[in-house]
Amino acid sequence: NAGVMQNPRHLVRRRGQEARLRCSPMKGHSHVYWYRQLPEEGLKFMVYLQKENIIDESGMPKERFSAEFPKEGPSILRIQQVVRGDSAAYFCASSQQGNSNQPQHFGDGTRLSIL
Amino acid sequence: QKEVEQNSGPLSVPEGAIASLNCTYSDRGSQSFFWYRQYSGKSPELIMSIYSNGDKEDGRFTAQLNKASQYVSLLIRDSQPSDSATYLCAVTGYGNKLVFGAGTILRVKS
Repeated sequence: NAGVMQNPRHLVRRRGQEARLRCSPMKGHSHVYWYRQLPEEGLKFMVYLQKENIIDESGMPKERFSAEFPKEGPSILRIQQVVRGDSAAYFCASSQQGNSNQPQHFGDGTRLSIL
Repeated sequence: QKEVEQNSGPLSVPEGAIASLNCTYSDRGSQSFFWYRQYSGKSPELIMSIYSNGDKEDGRFTAQLNKASQYVSLLIRDSQPSDSATYLCAVTGYGNKLVFGAGTILRVKS
């Protein structure tokens, strides 16, 4: 499967725990984007990364959220001390280049549920 | 004012008809425009991209862009029940982040 791979597909956490979401971009893509879709709301941009660099984190909450895209391995979105409001679908997308006209292709998402 | 606006619908059309989906955006610097289809509980799937004024056709889909009016639309010809989904309009400006509308729910009745 050469598409964007996200895991896990479903993640359940209790309040106060940590959530780690993983994303492997499409083969040949080095640009990764994370989006969040809250229930009954649209997709909202969170962060844009290239290998080892955060390019734009303007949509990322200032506290508890962090993202990385190491030289080797998948991109990780990390949420510390989760709260009920973090329950959402988290989608990762990738593009081949970093131009604004590059289509972004989405993974199947991680559905995060906070108990 | 929302950055990207879409009528939430639902838009109901009979099978075989043309479905017309509309989107307006507020940032005049927007450069690239995309339509994604999202089935319930699934990921967004890219169906069309358009970058310059005019029409772009791909199979049963036609995207139309009018930058002066800050308006982009998607026409689906010969609509099928399998086209029933939420259609998301997305725009990029300076930088690569996609700004999405809330989506229009399309229902094609057989």
